Amino acid sequence: GAVVSQHPSRVICKSGTSVKIECRSLDFQATTMFWYRQFPKQSLMLMATSNEGSKATYEQGVEKDKFLINHASLTLSTLTVTSAHPEDSSFYICSARIGASTDTQYFGPGTRLTVL
Amino acid sequence: AQSVTQPDIHITVSEGASLELRCNYSYGATPYLFWYVQSPGQGLQLLLKYFSGDTLVQGIKGFEAEFKRSQSSFNLRKPSVHWSDAAEYFCAVGNYDYKLSFGAGTTVTVRA
Repeated sequence: GAVVSQHPSRVICKSGTSVKIECRSLDFQATTMFWYRQFPKQSLMLMATSNEGSKATYEQGVEKDKFLINHASLTLSTLTVTSAHPEDSSFYICSARIGASTDTQYFGPGTRLTVL
Repeated sequence: AQSVTQPDIHITVSEGASLELRCNYSYGATPYLFWYVQSPGQGLQLLLKYFSGDTLVQGIKGFEAEFKRSQSSFNLRKPSVHWSDAAEYFCAVGNYDYKLSFGAGTTVTVRA
């Protein structure tokens, strides 16, 4: 089946630094990738939709200057949390979709970000 | 706007017993409905989905779900639970663009 990886799985950083999280589709080309944020014991909240070669579309309330998304190729999307603060600590999950009109998303295992 | 409610935060079930997880959705048009399972260290895995047609949907790992439009529900069931079914389960509704809105999840604990 389709596999999506995320790197790193865990990251701890100091407040004020930037952190980059990678999302890769390993055995398929993903025209669309999604970035979610999950708080403990809560639902996944969609942050943004990333289409290869174009600017990401952010959901309402998500700061695009804080959460920079780049979808440089059909197999890689990156999320950079800029000037991270403790309130940015969370579980970040990406998913990838094969086609524009395909319903199925394949999810990565997530990245645990802790900002000290 | 679409939304999903999973009323049960945590369910404990004995191995071999049946399991039902509740899901209620709010969506103006015909919904696309999904159930995902999340195990520690693994990505969300799709159990089953409903778009149209037969309202009883069969999925992987012996799960099934029934779409009831009149009740705005899409409950997940399994006749006999195995210890490996212990996980977090998420119901999701998708729009025409397949953007997903997730419920808060239900944690399933399986006791021997």
